[in-house]
Amino acid sequence: DGGITQSPKYLFRKEGQNVTLSCEQNLNHDAMYWYRQDPGQGLRLIYYSQIVNDFQKGDIAEGYSVSREKKESFPLTVTSAQKNPTAFYLCASRGSRGINQPQHFGDGTRLSIL
Amino acid sequence: QQPVQSPQAVILREGEDAVINCSSSKALYSVHWYRQKHGEAPVFLMILLKGGEQKGHDKISASFNEKKQQSSLYLTASQLSYSGTYFCGTENTDKLIFGTGTRLQVFP
Repeated sequence: DGGITQSPKYLFRKEGQNVTLSCEQNLNHDAMYWYRQDPGQGLRLIYYSQIVNDFQKGDIAEGYSVSREKKESFPLTVTSAQKNPTAFYLCASRGSRGINQPQHFGDGTRLSIL
Repeated sequence: QQPVQSPQAVILREGEDAVINCSSSKALYSVHWYRQKHGEAPVFLMILLKGGEQKGHDKISASFNEKKQQSSLYLTASQLSYSGTYFCGTENTDKLIFGTGTRLQVFP
C-alpha cells in the first residue's frame, strides 16, 4: 500500500543532543513537507521541498535542518539549537509540485525532552 | 496571512448541523479542508478549486466564494465520528498555509 512512513513514533531527546526524524514515502510524490504541532495548536511549516536536492525554509526553520537526497526521503534533524523541541512532528507529501493537490500525512513523531 | 477560522470550537449533539468558516486576507484560488482526530494525523477531506464551487463528502459539503475570500464547511446530521479539529488550507507559492482550526465535538 502506498503511503508515508514516519519513524520513530516516540522520541526522547537529551539536552544538547541532535535527533533525526525519518520520513519515507512511496507515493512517487515530488513535494514533501515538515510541520510542527504544539498541543491544541495548528500546523506550522518547518521546511519543504519541491524537488530532490532542493528545499526551502518555512515559518519556523530555526533550530531544524533537512536534506532531500532521494525523492522518497525527507529526514528532519532537530538540533540542540532548538530549545523547545517538545511537539508533534508531521511529515506530508503531495504530487506534481504540489499545487492544488491533496496533501497526505504520515502518522507523526512525538518528540519530548528528557 | 494565516487563514482565520470561525468558530474556534463547536459542541453538537448527534444529528445537529454545523458550519465552519475560513477567511483569508489574500486572494484565494483554491481551498483545502482537513480533519484531525485527537492524537492522529490530519486527513484530507476535499479541495475546492473554483469560485462558487460546492463539493460534498458523505454528509460534509463545502462552498468557496473567491470574491469574499472565504470558504465554508457544512456538516449535516453530525455523527460521533465527525468529532475532531477541522483545518482549512490555502495555497501560497507551492505550499499550504493552514488555518487556525475549529474544534468540533459531537456528543450522543
